Amino acid sequence: EPEVTQTPSHQVTQMGQEVILRCVPISNHLYFYWYRQILGQKVEFLVSFYNNEISEKSEIFDDQFSVERPDGSNFTLKIRSTKLEDSAMYFCASRTAMNTEAFFGQGTRLTVV
Amino acid sequence: EDQVTQSPEALRLQEGESSSLNCSYTVSGLRGLFWYRQDPGKGPEFLFTLYSAGEEKEKERLKATLTKKESFLHITAPKPEDSATYLCAVLNYKLSFGAGTTVTVRA
Repeated sequence: EPEVTQTPSHQVTQMGQEVILRCVPISNHLYFYWYRQILGQKVEFLVSFYNNEISEKSEIFDDQFSVERPDGSNFTLKIRSTKLEDSAMYFCASRTAMNTEAFFGQGTRLTVV
Repeated sequence: EDQVTQSPEALRLQEGESSSLNCSYTVSGLRGLFWYRQDPGKGPEFLFTLYSAGEEKEKERLKATLTKKESFLHITAPKPEDSATYLCAVLNYKLSFGAGTTVTVRA
């Protein structure tokens, strides 16, 4: 069964360092998303991406964050200068069409020390 | 802003003891209501999509229903493997999640 895959599963980084989280969405999907979940809190929307551009972003997604779809399969989230409060699970998701269900990857646990 | 409230926060059930989870929502333009299951340290796993009031969906021991203001997830005769956090989310241009209900089923 097709699935969204994310790498790495766990990333530990020093505060101020750049990190890139990687995702391979399901192949025929057109809409791509990043969400995050701080330990014990809700899953929060970060950004949506369609037709090679950002379609929506939340107030969390500031200038420190960027997304790319560098080729036909990968979708990346870059955090330029990590802060302690960026520590969270980051989930990638994809869907075929606007109103259909989104499928989530297993997440990358980011720990900023 | 879209609001999703789930209750109760936690639910402890004996195996076979049926119960219901509630999701109440406020959204400017509902494009769909989604139920997901989340196991510890894992990503949300899709369960159901509901689009209009009166709609019902079933899968094994789970049944989801939708009204204009809330949705229910009914768990019939649960087993220990149904233990998880159940998340409700509403779709506008993004998914807005509730905080979830953590269900623990004891054998």
